[in-house]
Amino acid sequence: TQLLEQSPQFLSIQEGENLTVYCNSSSVFSSLQWYRQEPGEGPVLLVTVVTGGEVKKLKRLTFQFGDARKDSSLHITAAQPGDTGLYLCAGEFSNFGNEKLTFGTGTRLTIIP
Amino acid sequence: EAGVAQSPRYKIIEKRQSVAFWCNPISGHATLYWYQQILGQGPKLLIQFQNNGVVDDSQLPKDRFSAERLKGVDSTLKIQPAKLEDSAVYLCASSLVNRGPSSSYEQYFGPGTRLTVT
Repeated sequence: TQLLEQSPQFLSIQEGENLTVYCNSSSVFSSLQWYRQEPGEGPVLLVTVVTGGEVKKLKRLTFQFGDARKDSSLHITAAQPGDTGLYLCAGEFSNFGNEKLTFGTGTRLTIIP
Repeated sequence: EAGVAQSPRYKIIEKRQSVAFWCNPISGHATLYWYQQILGQGPKLLIQFQNNGVVDDSQLPKDRFSAERLKGVDSTLKIQPAKLEDSAVYLCASSLVNRGPSSSYEQYFGPGTRLTVT
């Protein structure tokens, strides 16, 4: 069973501060996805990282995939209230030819204006 | 393009009652997923369909949960009888195809159905 642990579980910071959340596993994934989920809605894909060591930037968000493709981080620069939400990492793996996602435990982020 | 539709959005039932959820995926998406998301946790896959066939239901509690995808489009998830621990958000997602391992893919999620069992 592939498990993804995210840390911290909760994070509350002031607007304008920087933060990093982590996603760790003992399993190797073919890709790692990050989703953001707002209350009353389903998760929305932010980014997919595929290659070990890959770094992708999405405006103020920077995503990195670990060299061994077992872990990932999300760094937000100058956080804004609109960044508030539940951040989920999801590892993609193939099970008998069927691609599936295993979701992490989530980081609930609150940005205080 | 219309997104994944789910209904109802909210449901409150008593334990031992039955409940059914409906999902309409994005048009043309062959793969459909049902997830259970307990408060404060990430989504857990319950069942995965490819067209109208089940490809993975290993985590579906089959003694009380059932799902079908008639004609490979809409899907329903049923719980009978419900238990207190079934209180959760039930998310439906769809993706284009179950493709090979060389490229990534995206799942599109509906807004979910929030179930409360009392």
